[in-house]
Amino acid sequence: QKEVEQDPGPLSVPEGAIVSLNCTYSNSAFQYFMWYRQYSRKGPELLMYTYSSGNKEDGRFTAQVDKSSKYISLFIRDSQPSDSATYLCAMMKAAGNKLTFGGGTRVLVKP
Amino acid sequence: DSGVTQTPKHLITATGQRVTLRCSPRSGDLSVYWYQQSLDQGLQFLIQYYNGEERAKGNILERFSAQQFPDLHSELNLSSLELGDSALYFCASSVRPLGGDTGELFFGEGSRLTVL
Repeated sequence: QKEVEQDPGPLSVPEGAIVSLNCTYSNSAFQYFMWYRQYSRKGPELLMYTYSSGNKEDGRFTAQVDKSSKYISLFIRDSQPSDSATYLCAMMKAAGNKLTFGGGTRVLVKP
Repeated sequence: DSGVTQTPKHLITATGQRVTLRCSPRSGDLSVYWYQQSLDQGLQFLIQYYNGEERAKGNILERFSAQQFPDLHSELNLSSLELGDSALYFCASSVRPLGGDTGELFFGEGSRLTVL
């Protein structure tokens, strides 16, 4: 079983809809939680960063962490075709020096 | 543009061969990470260097090796290549090692390796 599980999708939504993405994990030592976005033929880029449990909002993006359930989410409001990409969750331990990534969810926002 | 440069972008080779992938980190970044991305395994951490020294090792095969040079560029050497080594290899960099940081790695565009 992988440490971090993520539905590969694809997730297809109409423009303007809310995109809901999530990851589950098994290692309770993870303290830092991130979402990276990867466009086709590009490297991942950091989208959101959260420490421990709670919510964080940045523009149209909201990240949620529920450590008790070992579950993290990313919501994209008012989705745009430019949001079409693969979204990878990533996690790190408190004294860690590497990121553990989920497999990524491919999102397609249709005009 | 992340500022991380990887060469070559594409590489096609045969089984049993050896290849070298090169990475130049962002200016000022001392830490370099190598990741392998395949369809079935996702993004897998291979190895990390900080200022020339190995800091962490992940699922890196014995056939693979890496180093970081004094000018901070890094090379990943893959030898005795097998069909299963076909993947995208990413290099990423950060100013300092992760841990208490934002977890922001700056990724290059990757080197796509195809082993025939």
